[in-house]
Amino acid sequence: DAGITQSPRHKVTETGTPVTLRCHQTENHRYMYWYRQDPGHGLRLIHYSYGVKDTDKGEVSDGYSVSRSKTEDFLLTLESATSSQTSVYFCAISESAGYGYTFGSGTRLTVV
Amino acid sequence: AQSVTQPDIHITVSEGASLELRCNYSYGATPYLFWYVQSPGQGLQLLLKYFSGDTLVQGIKGFEAEFKRSQSSFNLRKPSVHWSDAAEYFCAVAPRGNQGGKLIFGQGTELSVKP
Repeated sequence: DAGITQSPRHKVTETGTPVTLRCHQTENHRYMYWYRQDPGHGLRLIHYSYGVKDTDKGEVSDGYSVSRSKTEDFLLTLESATSSQTSVYFCAISESAGYGYTFGSGTRLTVV
Repeated sequence: AQSVTQPDIHITVSEGASLELRCNYSYGATPYLFWYVQSPGQGLQLLLKYFSGDTLVQGIKGFEAEFKRSQSSFNLRKPSVHWSDAAEYFCAVAPRGNQGGKLIFGQGTELSVKP
């Protein structure tokens, strides 16, 4: 969607390697989120940020870390990728709590 | 437990027929309510949202949703479905006052449209 981009769009990586996904926004929104989407599970929150350097865990945060050093960038890192982390990852932004999200186009990550 | 439920995993309707997708939530206080649509290989797009006031909410693409407090439901409707409406639909809630404005999503309903 306009104003939010995710990179890369697709990635294949090997088990045990570190992986970083990037979310970049040009909307100056305060809130940013990382979700993963898996069949039968809908979207599940991994981590979110409510300001620069302010982050918190979601329901499926194990094995993931995040960083937000600038308003516009929110990075998701898989420290040591596992096959269970094969998924589609979505970033979302929101200008205020409860307002609703704008989603990025997603990153399809395959861990082999 | 707090939850969002979309009872129908997959629905098939004929083009031109009416559509209703169900969503039920379980929260102490009425949360903010949303419907999103996801086309294959795409991100999610907001169709409509309910915060307060009129319980019938109009959205984009001819969709509407009705909030019923007594049934803890927020069902999505469209009077006449078009082939381009084939997609996956997600109901989501944001509990009022939750830190970070986190959205909790239902499991989704996949809509197929028959010619």
